[in-house]
Amino acid sequence: QVQLVQSGTEVKKPGASVRVSCKSSGYTFTGDYIHWVRQAPGQGLEWMGWLNPNNGDTNFAHKFRGRVTMTGDTSINTAYMELHRLTSDDTAVYYCARGGLPALDSWGQGTLVTVSS
Amino acid sequence: EIVLTQSPGTLSSSPGERATLSCRASQSVNNDYLAWYQQKPGQAPRLLIYGASRRATGIPDRFSGSGSGTDFSLTISRLEPEDFAVYYCQQYGSSLWTFGQGTRVEI
Repeated sequence: QVQLVQSGTEVKKPGASVRVSCKSSGYTFTGDYIHWVRQAPGQGLEWMGWLNPNNGDTNFAHKFRGRVTMTGDTSINTAYMELHRLTSDDTAVYYCARGGLPALDSWGQGTLVTVSS
Repeated sequence: EIVLTQSPGTLSSSPGERATLSCRASQSVNNDYLAWYQQKPGQAPRLLIYGASRRATGIPDRFSGSGSGTDFSLTISRLEPEDFAVYYCQQYGSSLWTFGQGTRVEI
């Protein structure tokens, strides 16, 4: 079955960068886009962007452009999201999800990123 | 970007009742590429409906989606105890995807 397993909790200081990984299994990694969605505490879902693992193409929501990088390693079926110049507003649970339908049909378990001095 | 507005913000209902959730888009959603997700506390969202009206794999038939263009709805025909959760609509018809702010369905 399709599984997306994310890396663990991160605590970062303001101004730092964070990288979250998302390992896929149970389907052809290069066949579907990987999206990243975040959720601040007590808030709704916020779409960040997508990665096409087949060719490395990316597309980001306007508010993250210039501050986010999304990459993939097809040898280990893993996608990465890196967010730079962190502030306290970036404290959130970050999810990866497969765009299989292309709606988001499978989700990772989420990674909590806390930004605090 | 397309703004999605969900209503009501909170819906108070009882098990066995019918619930209808609304999602209105600021502009027409291409190809009716509109999805609905359910999220329970501490869990990742779960896809319920895609393409405005297609149920995802394993989703009970008490969940149905309808609508086109700018107005969409999710109907739960008879609320089960496990259906009390937060529901989000999402459009994926443009290059920039967006979510609605969510509707909480509470007992």
